[in-house]
Amino acid sequence: ETGVTQSPTHLIKTRGQQVTLRCSSQSGHNTVSWYQQALGQGPQFIFQYYREEENGRGNFPPRFSGLQFPNYSSELNVNALELDDSALYLCASSLGSGLNTEAFFGQGTRLTVV
Amino acid sequence: GDSVTQMEGPVTLSEEAFLTINCTYTATGYPSLFWYVQYPGEGLQLLLKATKADDKGSNKGFEATYRKETTSFHLEKGSVQVSDSAVYFCALSDRGLTGGGNKLTFGTGTQLKVEL
Repeated sequence: ETGVTQSPTHLIKTRGQQVTLRCSSQSGHNTVSWYQQALGQGPQFIFQYYREEENGRGNFPPRFSGLQFPNYSSELNVNALELDDSALYLCASSLGSGLNTEAFFGQGTRLTVV
Repeated sequence: GDSVTQMEGPVTLSEEAFLTINCTYTATGYPSLFWYVQYPGEGLQLLLKATKADDKGSNKGFEATYRKETTSFHLEKGSVQVSDSAVYFCALSDRGLTGGGNKLTFGTGTQLKVEL
């Protein structure tokens, strides 16, 4: 069984541009969550998708948006990039989102905004 | 809202030393508690978890006990190895999403360096 894979691994963008990050969930997993991890900090919850619907959202502005596809893969889109958006973006997949559900993380996409 | 507080690092130990990384939490409900580990250049890996009060999670020699009375979930290992060098994150899971799902709330992480 394949794990969670994210692409690209590294990305450099200019302030004001738009970016799309991609995540393939682990086989059989129907839930994908996205997290932002700033340097030296813990991951912060952005949003979660369950069976193609947004299941909840953290304290991030609307320029952070997402999609989940019928095969449960997912995209994170960020518009009007700001310097503070520079971070490691982590995708986690799980089977459902119960309280005790284990989330499996990808290796992340390192986004640098200049 | 929910929050997790971890001891600041880096923590530097000699090989075979005893490890404790403190973690306390604040939550309105009855969360599940987790420790994740992040090796350089990698994503997060689940190390252990506990789902209710007095549960002990354990894996690879690491242990943590869910203490509801002190709202703590301290990570311990009796004898660390150089290969344990990584960043350790304490996290809680508490149902709170509008769609009924749960999210993870993480601490800021504690870097562990183990030297020969």
